[in-house]
Amino acid sequence: SQQGEEDPQALSIQEGENATMNCSYKTSINNLQWYRQNSGRGLVHLILIRSNEREKHSGRLRVTLDTSKKSSSLLITASRAADTASYFCAPEPNAGGTSYGKLTFGQGTILTVHP
Amino acid sequence: NAGVTQTPKFQVLKTGQSMTLQCAQDMNHNSMYWYRQDPGMGLRLIYYSASEGTTDKGEVPNGYNVSRLNKREFSLRLESAAPSQTSVYFCASRQTNTGELFFGEGSRLTVL
Repeated sequence: SQQGEEDPQALSIQEGENATMNCSYKTSINNLQWYRQNSGRGLVHLILIRSNEREKHSGRLRVTLDTSKKSSSLLITASRAADTASYFCAPEPNAGGTSYGKLTFGQGTILTVHP
Repeated sequence: NAGVTQTPKFQVLKTGQSMTLQCAQDMNHNSMYWYRQDPGMGLRLIYYSASEGTTDKGEVPNGYNVSRLNKREFSLRLESAAPSQTSVYFCASRQTNTGELFFGEGSRLTVL
């Protein structure tokens, strides 16, 4: 399985602080996506970073990708209580392999932002 | 826009009963997915369909069958439900040009 492994499993911070979550994976990838899940809801796409990109920004989100270390990080700046959710990474295997297209997920990071 | 619609939202079954979870998307996506989510286990891929008429096993396919009826619909069938299949099931479809997955709101299944 190419599922990413998120770290830490849980993160608790105060509003206004930055939150950093990490993702590690095992084999070569085409891209890596980050998703958010509010309690009891479906996952929502946050950002996609391609294997030839090192950093990408979207609003308060900053994603980095280090293909040599097979790792990615998601930084949420100036966290808000509304950012409380679970966050998942989904590395996509390279095209041509039997796993191509099969997006898999790890256990996620549970982020709690206290007002 | 409806996006990805799953039915039913809740279901209670007895061991050995069968049922089908329905999923439909109105975004003209080629690829569709079924996942299950258990506490502490994250999401696990059950089956995947790259396009109409094709299906492929994911990480945990045992005990399930799928049908890609047409481009819009991808159903998941439990032929003989077991308590281990108690879970929340999510259907997703994938936008080809961006690679983004769109998820339904989930179907909560309890097998007694």
